[in-house]
Amino acid sequence: GAVVSQHPSWVICKSGTSVKIECRSLDFQATTMFWYRQFPKQSLMLMATSNEGSKATYEQGVEKDKFLINHASLTLSTLTVTSAHPEDSSFYICSARGRRREQFFGPGTRLTVL
Amino acid sequence: AQSVSQHNHHVILSEAASLELGCNYSYGGTVNLFWYVQYPGQHLQLLLKYFSGDPLVKGIKGFEAEFIKSKFSFNLRKPSVQWSDTAEYFCAVNASPRPPGGNEKLTFGTGTRLTIIP
Repeated sequence: GAVVSQHPSWVICKSGTSVKIECRSLDFQATTMFWYRQFPKQSLMLMATSNEGSKATYEQGVEKDKFLINHASLTLSTLTVTSAHPEDSSFYICSARGRRREQFFGPGTRLTVL
Repeated sequence: AQSVSQHNHHVILSEAASLELGCNYSYGGTVNLFWYVQYPGQHLQLLLKYFSGDPLVKGIKGFEAEFIKSKFSFNLRKPSVQWSDTAEYFCAVNASPRPPGGNEKLTFGTGTRLTIIP
C-alpha cells in the first residue's frame, strides 16, 4: 500500500512556541491531505482538508489562525500549531489521498505542550 | 452530516473465539464504508472497504464486513481471532459521491478496543 510519513513522531515544546509537523506521501502524489486530531481513548476528529495549491478547508470549531496548514506540493503538507498551549497537547494524524478514493494514514505525531 | 456509532467500547475475547464488532451510521445518502485497525504503537491501517456491489466484503487478515443498507450497519466479523488481533478498530464513513462543495471527509466512530487473551 501507499506510504505516508510524518515528522516528527513526537515533540515536546514550551507554552507559547510554535510547532511544525510535516506529512509526506512517499510513493504517490496526494492531491488531498487531511489533518486529524485524536484525543486519548477517543476517535479521530477531522481538523482540516487541504488540496495542493489551495487554501485549506477547516472544520467547524477549528481555529485556522492557530492551526496553519500548507499544502505546497503533491507530496507534502505541513501543520503548524502556533502559540501552542497545554490544551493543544494531542496526537495529530495526517492522511493523504491520491487518485484512488482511499486515504492512507501517517503514523501520527504526539505533541506535548508544557 | 454523517455520523458513526460503535457501541462496543471494549471487547475481550479468548483466542479462537468468533468476533463481531458493531458499526452503525447515519446519513441520508449513499456512503462509502471503511474499517481501520490501529495496532498498539502503530498507525491506522485499512482493513477493508465497501464502495458498491457485493455487500459482503472481505479484507486483510481474515476479516470481513457486511453492509446491510436497511439497518445502516457495517459490522466487522472474523470467525476465529488471534492474539495478534489485539488492537483498536475504527469504523468510518464518507458520502458518495462527494457532496457539492464538500470534500472526501471521513467520519470516524469512537473505536472499539479489542483485547485477545491467549
